[in-house]
Formats: sequence, structure tokens, C-alpha cells
Amino acid sequence: QKEVEQDPGPLSVPEGAIVSLNCTYSNSAFQYFMWYRQYSRKGPELLMYTYSSGNKEDGRFTAQVDKSSKYISLFIRDSQPSDSATYLCAMSANDYKLSFGAGTTVTVRA
Amino acid sequence: DVKVTQSSRYLVKRTGEKVFLECVQDMDHENMFWYRQDPGLGLRLIYFSYDVKMKEKGDIPEGYSVSREKKERFSLILESASTNQTSMYLCASSSQTGLSYEQYFGPGTRLTVT
Repeated sequence: QKEVEQDPGPLSVPEGAIVSLNCTYSNSAFQYFMWYRQYSRKGPELLMYTYSSGNKEDGRFTAQVDKSSKYISLFIRDSQPSDSATYLCAMSANDYKLSFGAGTTVTVRA
Repeated sequence: DVKVTQSSRYLVKRTGEKVFLECVQDMDHENMFWYRQDPGLGLRLIYFSYDVKMKEKGDIPEGYSVSREKKERFSLILESASTNQTSMYLCASSSQTGLSYEQYFGPGTRLTVT
């Protein structure tokens, strides 16, 4: 079993829809939870991070962490074609090593 | 702006060749990482380095080695390339202060071994 499982997708949604992305994990030592966004032919870049459980909002993006269920989510409201990318969840315990999910490719149709 | 550059975007090598992938970062980061990215498997850590001449194995180090002689440069070496090493290779760096989990990635090198 992988340490981090991510819904593989792909997801295709119309412009303006809400996109919901999810990951589950098995390592209870994880405390830092991140979402990276990767555009085609580019390296991943950090989109959002959350420490421990709770919600974090940044513009159209909301990250949720439920440590009791070992489940994290990313919501994209009012999705735009420019949001079309692969989204990777990532997690870390107390050090600088990250464990990544497999990624979900999202396409937002104009 | 942090910049991580990788020596090649695309590389085609033959089975058994020795392959060098170079990575350079310009932000004076202490940590550097090599990952491979494969469909359905995500990013898997090959090696990382937290200081010059220091290295630690990641999750899949077999068939690879690394070199870090200068702080800004981290090299991945495939001693004898095999077809199962065909993949996208990503280099990343991060600081040991502040948001150390924020890794900055290069654009990747797509390696094909024939």
C-alpha cells in the first residue's frame, strides 16, 4: 500500500465549476500538508500548504485537512481554463522530505 | 525568483551507457533532491542532499548515484542505464530555514533509454 493515495482522475469540468481533489494517507506522523500544481512541461510549484488539521483559503482555492480520517482535500471554486494542470498532494512529518500522491490531471473546458 | 535549472530537457541514451543529469539552483539552498516521475506513481525520491558532499538515499536509489561537490549543483548519475530508467527526472531544492517543505523544482529532464 502506498503511503499517499490520490484519486487518479483525470477530471474534466466546465468553466465555473467547483473542482474537488482528494488524498488519503497512512502515516500518522505527517503534520504538513501541501498541494503542488504542475503545468504541462513544467516542474511542480507549491500552491497551498496547511499545518495539522483545519481549513485554509486563498482566493478561489480552499485546502482542508482531517487528520482523524487521514484525508485531505483541495477545492477550486469558479474554475478557469488556466487552472488546467496536474495537482499533486504532498505531505511531510518533521523533516524536509515530502511524500507525494500520484497526481490528478484537471482540464477546465471553456 | 528561485531558479532551478536542469542541463537537458530531453535525453536519449542507449542501454548500458553512463548518464549524467545536472541540476543547478541559484538560491543558496541547503537541500537538493532528485525525483523521478512516472504516470500513476507520482514523484518518487531517488536521493537527496542536505549539505555539500552529504547525501541520503531516498525511496528508490537502486541503479543511481549522486554527487554534490558545490552547494548549488547536484548531479544524478545512472551508472549503466537500463530501459526501466526511462522516465521524467525532476530536481528540486529547498531551504533549511523558513518553509523547508517548500521545494522549488526544475523543468525536468525526459530521459529515454533504448
